[in-house]
Amino acid sequence: QVQLVQSGAEVKKPGASVKVSCKASSLPSNTHGISWVRQVPGQGLEWMGWISTRNGNTIYPHKVQGRVTMTTDTSTTTAYMELRSLRSEDTALYYCARDTGGGEDSWGQGTLVTVSS
Amino acid sequence: DIVMTQSPLSLPVTLGQAASISCRSSESLVHSDGNTYLNWLQQRPGQSPRRLIYKVSNRDSGVPDRFSGSGSGTEFTLKISRVEAEDVGVYYCMQGTHWRTFGQGTKLEIK
Repeated sequence: QVQLVQSGAEVKKPGASVKVSCKASSLPSNTHGISWVRQVPGQGLEWMGWISTRNGNTIYPHKVQGRVTMTTDTSTTTAYMELRSLRSEDTALYYCARDTGGGEDSWGQGTLVTVSS
Repeated sequence: DIVMTQSPLSLPVTLGQAASISCRSSESLVHSDGNTYLNWLQQRPGQSPRRLIYKVSNRDSGVPDRFSGSGSGTEFTLKISRVEAEDVGVYYCMQGTHWRTFGQGTKLEIK
């Protein structure tokens, strides 16, 4: 199974940006892309978007469109998620996960992003 | 957007007994490629989610055979034949047919 290792916890002020990284041990040919999912502590899972590891195409849900950018660096098998104009409601654990087509089989350990003045 | 609705949201179970979680989608999850991308995830306390079942009924590698998935179209079920202590956590259904949507989660606890 592919291992995903994410960057460390971040503390940001409202209005700032954060960029979280997700390094994959490999990207086998059955990898379609990387999804990002967030979880407010004690709550459920929310999909933040998806990037193709094949051509860089992205899909973002309406809720975060315009504030989020996902990128990949295939040379280092690393995916990135940048979220801008942070607000307190963005405080959450952010996960990356590998998509093999219609679902994610490997998940990162999560990165806690805290937005606080 | 597709809405995924799980029931129950809380599931107290006696060790060794069976458990069942239902998941309903607001639209059919049959993809144009013929597959139904309905997955079940387990999140143990303090851990990342882990996929148990993909495409309705296929167990991921290492998942005990006491876990099984079934269903079609808009109605799906996860069954645990004999609950063990390590099964405590929150279970999510997730659709991957129309991008991604998660159910609210079902918290399984031991009575």
